[in-house]
Amino acid sequence: GAGVSQSPRYKVAKRGQDVALRCDPISGHVSLFWYQQALGQGPEFLTYFQNEAQLDKSGLPSDRFFAERPEGSVSTLKIQRTQQEDSAVYLCASSSHPSDYYGYTFGSGTRLTVV
Amino acid sequence: DQQVKQNSPSLSVQEGRISILNCDYTNSMFDYFLWYKKYPAEGPTFLISISSIKDKNEDGRFTVFLNKSAKHLSLHIVPSQPGDSAVYFCAATIQGAQKLVFGQGTRLTINP
Repeated sequence: GAGVSQSPRYKVAKRGQDVALRCDPISGHVSLFWYQQALGQGPEFLTYFQNEAQLDKSGLPSDRFFAERPEGSVSTLKIQRTQQEDSAVYLCASSSHPSDYYGYTFGSGTRLTVV
Repeated sequence: DQQVKQNSPSLSVQEGRISILNCDYTNSMFDYFLWYKKYPAEGPTFLISISSIKDKNEDGRFTVFLNKSAKHLSLHIVPSQPGDSAVYFCAATIQGAQKLVFGQGTRLTINP
Protein backbone atom coordinates (compact mmCIF):
# COMPACT_ATOMS: atom_id res chain seq x y z
CA GLY A 1 0.00 0.00 0.00
CA ALA A 2 0.89 3.65 -0.23
CA GLY A 3 1.14 4.22 3.50
CA VAL A 4 1.60 2.51 6.84
CA SER A 5 -1.52 0.58 7.75
CA GLN A 6 -2.47 -0.27 11.32
CA SER A 7 -5.25 -2.49 12.57
CA PRO A 8 -7.52 -2.41 14.38
CA ARG A 9 -8.12 1.33 14.50
CA TYR A 10 -9.83 0.99 17.88
CA LYS A 11 -9.59 -1.72 20.50
CA VAL A 12 -11.40 -1.95 23.82
CA ALA A 13 -9.98 -4.55 26.16
CA LYS A 14 -10.99 -5.64 29.60
CA ARG A 15 -8.27 -5.38 32.20
CA GLY A 16 -6.23 -8.55 32.17
CA GLN A 17 -7.01 -9.39 28.54
CA ASP A 18 -4.24 -9.92 25.97
CA VAL A 19 -4.24 -7.78 22.81
CA ALA A 20 -2.38 -7.85 19.49
CA LEU A 21 -1.89 -4.78 17.35
CA ARG A 22 -0.83 -5.09 13.72
CA CYS A 23 1.32 -2.85 11.54
CA ASP A 24 1.77 -3.15 7.78
CA PRO A 25 4.72 -0.91 6.82
CA ILE A 26 5.39 0.64 3.46
CA SER A 27 6.64 -2.03 1.09
CA GLY A 28 10.42 -2.15 1.03
CA HIS A 29 10.93 -0.17 4.23
CA VAL A 30 13.49 -2.03 6.30
CA SER A 31 13.08 0.03 9.47
CA LEU A 32 9.98 -0.23 11.62
CA PHE A 33 9.24 1.60 14.86
CA TRP A 34 6.54 1.41 17.52
CA TYR A 35 5.59 4.43 19.62
CA GLN A 36 3.08 4.86 22.43
CA GLN A 37 1.14 8.12 22.72
CA ALA A 38 -0.74 8.69 25.95
CA LEU A 39 -3.53 11.25 26.04
CA GLY A 40 -2.16 14.77 25.89
CA GLN A 41 1.42 13.60 25.44
CA GLY A 42 3.82 13.19 22.57
CA PRO A 43 4.71 9.80 21.12
CA GLU A 44 7.20 7.79 23.17
CA PHE A 45 9.55 5.28 21.59
CA LEU A 46 8.86 1.62 22.34
CA THR A 47 10.94 -0.51 19.99
CA TYR A 48 12.76 -0.63 16.65
CA PHE A 49 13.25 -3.32 14.01
CA GLN A 50 15.64 -3.48 11.12
CA ASN A 51 14.17 -6.12 8.86
CA GLU A 52 13.30 -8.99 11.21
CA ALA A 53 15.86 -8.07 13.85
CA GLN A 54 14.66 -6.21 16.92
CA LEU A 55 17.63 -3.94 17.52
CA ASP A 56 16.25 -1.78 20.31
CA LYS A 57 13.49 -2.59 22.77
CA SER A 58 14.60 -0.19 25.45
CA GLY A 59 11.27 1.68 25.44
CA LEU A 60 9.02 -1.28 26.19
CA PRO A 61 7.53 -0.39 29.59
CA SER A 62 7.34 -3.89 31.01
CA ASP A 63 7.74 -7.55 30.13
CA ARG A 64 4.03 -7.60 29.34
CA PHE A 65 4.90 -5.87 26.06
CA PHE A 66 6.28 -7.93 23.21
CA ALA A 67 6.87 -7.07 19.56
CA GLU A 68 7.82 -9.19 16.60
CA ARG A 69 8.45 -8.87 12.89
CA PRO A 70 9.21 -12.44 11.85
CA GLU A 71 9.53 -11.95 8.09
CA GLY A 72 10.82 -8.41 8.07
CA SER A 73 7.52 -6.94 6.91
CA VAL A 74 4.36 -7.01 9.04
CA SER A 75 4.88 -6.38 12.74
CA THR A 76 2.73 -7.21 15.74
CA LEU A 77 2.81 -5.52 19.12
CA LYS A 78 1.38 -7.76 21.80
CA ILE A 79 0.37 -6.63 25.27
CA GLN A 80 -0.35 -9.32 27.83
CA ARG A 81 -2.60 -8.85 30.86
CA THR A 82 -3.54 -5.32 29.89
CA GLN A 83 -3.72 -2.65 32.59
CA GLN A 84 -5.51 0.69 32.57
CA GLU A 85 -2.22 2.54 32.19
CA ASP A 86 -1.75 0.78 28.83
CA SER A 87 -4.59 2.88 27.40
CA ALA A 88 -3.00 4.96 24.64
CA VAL A 89 -2.65 5.33 20.90
CA TYR A 90 -0.02 2.96 19.54
CA LEU A 91 1.72 4.34 16.48
CA CYS A 92 3.77 2.41 13.99
CA ALA A 93 6.22 4.09 11.64
CA SER A 94 8.47 2.82 8.88
CA SER A 95 11.35 4.20 6.89
CA SER A 96 13.82 3.06 4.28
CA HIS A 97 16.68 3.74 6.70
CA PRO A 98 16.71 4.28 10.49
CA SER A 99 17.95 7.84 10.19
CA ASP A 100 15.90 8.68 7.10
CA TYR A 101 13.80 11.08 9.12
CA TYR A 102 12.33 12.72 6.01
CA GLY A 103 10.87 9.42 4.96
CA TYR A 104 9.71 8.40 8.42
CA THR A 105 6.04 7.61 7.79
CA PHE A 106 3.59 7.05 10.62
CA GLY A 107 0.39 5.06 10.49
CA SER A 108 -2.86 6.44 11.89
CA GLY A 109 -2.43 4.39 15.04
CA THR A 110 -4.48 1.98 17.11
CA ARG A 111 -6.36 3.52 20.02
CA LEU A 112 -6.38 1.04 22.88
CA THR A 113 -8.78 1.55 25.76
CA VAL A 114 -8.49 -0.75 28.75
CA VAL A 115 -11.63 -0.85 30.93
CA ASP B 1 12.48 13.21 32.74
CA GLN B 2 11.06 15.23 29.88
CA GLN B 3 14.01 15.86 27.57
CA VAL B 4 11.95 17.78 25.02
CA LYS B 5 9.36 20.25 26.26
CA GLN B 6 6.66 22.25 24.58
CA ASN B 7 5.34 24.45 27.32
CA SER B 8 2.36 25.85 25.45
CA PRO B 9 -0.42 23.26 25.12
CA SER B 10 -2.35 25.51 22.75
CA LEU B 11 -1.99 28.60 20.58
CA SER B 12 -4.60 30.61 18.72
CA VAL B 13 -3.58 32.87 15.82
CA GLN B 14 -5.50 34.93 13.33
CA GLU B 15 -5.35 33.89 9.69
CA GLY B 16 -2.59 35.72 7.84
CA ARG B 17 -0.54 36.45 10.96
CA ILE B 18 2.60 34.70 12.15
CA SER B 19 2.41 31.57 14.30
CA ILE B 20 5.37 30.88 16.56
CA LEU B 21 5.65 27.51 18.28
CA ASN B 22 8.36 26.96 20.85
CA CYS B 23 10.32 23.95 22.06
CA ASP B 24 13.04 23.50 24.69
CA TYR B 25 15.35 20.55 25.19
CA THR B 26 17.69 19.47 27.94
CA ASN B 27 19.92 16.84 26.37
CA SER B 28 22.99 18.51 24.88
CA MET B 29 23.71 15.34 22.87
CA PHE B 30 20.75 16.03 20.58
CA ASP B 31 22.01 17.23 17.23
CA TYR B 32 19.02 16.94 14.94
CA PHE B 33 15.59 18.43 15.44
CA LEU B 34 12.31 17.95 13.63
CA TRP B 35 8.80 19.30 13.61
CA TYR B 36 5.81 17.09 12.91
CA LYS B 37 2.23 18.08 12.24
CA LYS B 38 -0.70 15.92 13.28
CA TYR B 39 -4.33 16.08 12.26
CA PRO B 40 -6.99 14.23 14.31
CA ALA B 41 -7.16 10.49 13.68
CA GLU B 42 -4.01 10.60 11.55
CA GLY B 43 -0.38 9.86 12.27
CA PRO B 44 2.16 12.66 12.58
CA THR B 45 3.67 13.87 9.31
CA PHE B 46 7.13 15.34 8.89
CA LEU B 47 7.18 19.09 8.38
CA ILE B 48 10.69 20.51 8.63
CA SER B 49 13.99 19.74 10.33
CA ILE B 50 17.26 21.37 11.32
CA SER B 51 20.72 20.10 12.10
CA SER B 52 22.65 21.51 15.04
CA ILE B 53 25.26 22.91 12.67
CA LYS B 54 22.68 25.41 11.44
CA ASP B 55 20.67 28.05 13.22
CA LYS B 56 17.92 28.45 10.63
CA ASN B 57 16.16 26.36 8.03
CA GLU B 58 13.42 27.63 5.77
CA ASP B 59 10.89 25.81 3.61
CA GLY B 60 8.20 27.95 2.08
CA ARG B 61 6.00 29.38 4.83
CA PHE B 62 7.82 27.38 7.51
CA THR B 63 11.06 28.40 9.21
CA VAL B 64 12.75 26.68 12.11
CA PHE B 65 15.23 28.55 14.30
CA LEU B 66 17.70 26.84 16.60
CA ASN B 67 19.43 28.51 19.55
CA LYS B 68 21.90 25.92 20.82
CA SER B 69 23.17 27.97 23.74
CA ALA B 70 19.63 28.31 25.05
CA LYS B 71 18.66 24.77 23.99
CA HIS B 72 15.63 26.26 22.31
CA LEU B 73 14.03 25.98 18.93
CA SER B 74 11.01 27.57 17.37
CA LEU B 75 8.82 27.05 14.35
CA HIS B 76 7.52 30.09 12.51
CA ILE B 77 4.61 29.83 10.12
CA VAL B 78 3.88 32.89 8.03
CA PRO B 79 1.33 33.65 6.83
CA SER B 80 -0.83 31.29 8.87
CA GLN B 81 -3.63 29.53 7.03
CA PRO B 82 -6.72 27.66 8.29
CA GLY B 83 -5.23 24.37 7.06
CA ASP B 84 -2.37 24.87 9.50
CA SER B 85 -4.72 24.13 12.40
CA ALA B 86 -3.29 20.93 13.88
CA VAL B 87 -1.14 19.63 16.73
CA TYR B 88 2.56 20.33 16.23
CA PHE B 89 5.21 18.13 17.81
CA CYS B 90 8.83 19.02 18.26
CA ALA B 91 11.20 16.03 18.20
CA ALA B 92 14.89 15.56 18.76
CA THR B 93 17.44 12.87 18.13
CA ILE B 94 21.10 12.10 17.87
CA GLN B 95 21.98 11.75 14.17
CA GLY B 96 22.21 8.13 13.22
CA ALA B 97 20.08 7.05 16.15
CA GLN B 98 16.87 5.20 15.59
CA LYS B 99 14.55 6.83 18.05
CA LEU B 100 12.99 10.25 18.17
CA VAL B 101 12.20 12.01 21.45
CA PHE B 102 9.02 14.05 21.19
CA GLY B 103 7.62 16.98 23.09
CA GLN B 104 4.06 17.02 24.38
CA GLY B 105 2.70 18.92 21.41
CA THR B 106 1.06 22.32 20.85
CA ARG B 107 -2.42 22.59 19.41
CA LEU B 108 -2.47 25.44 16.89
CA THR B 109 -5.78 26.97 15.89
CA ILE B 110 -5.93 29.45 13.04
CA ASN B 111 -8.96 31.70 13.24
CA PRO B 112 -10.48 33.20 10.08
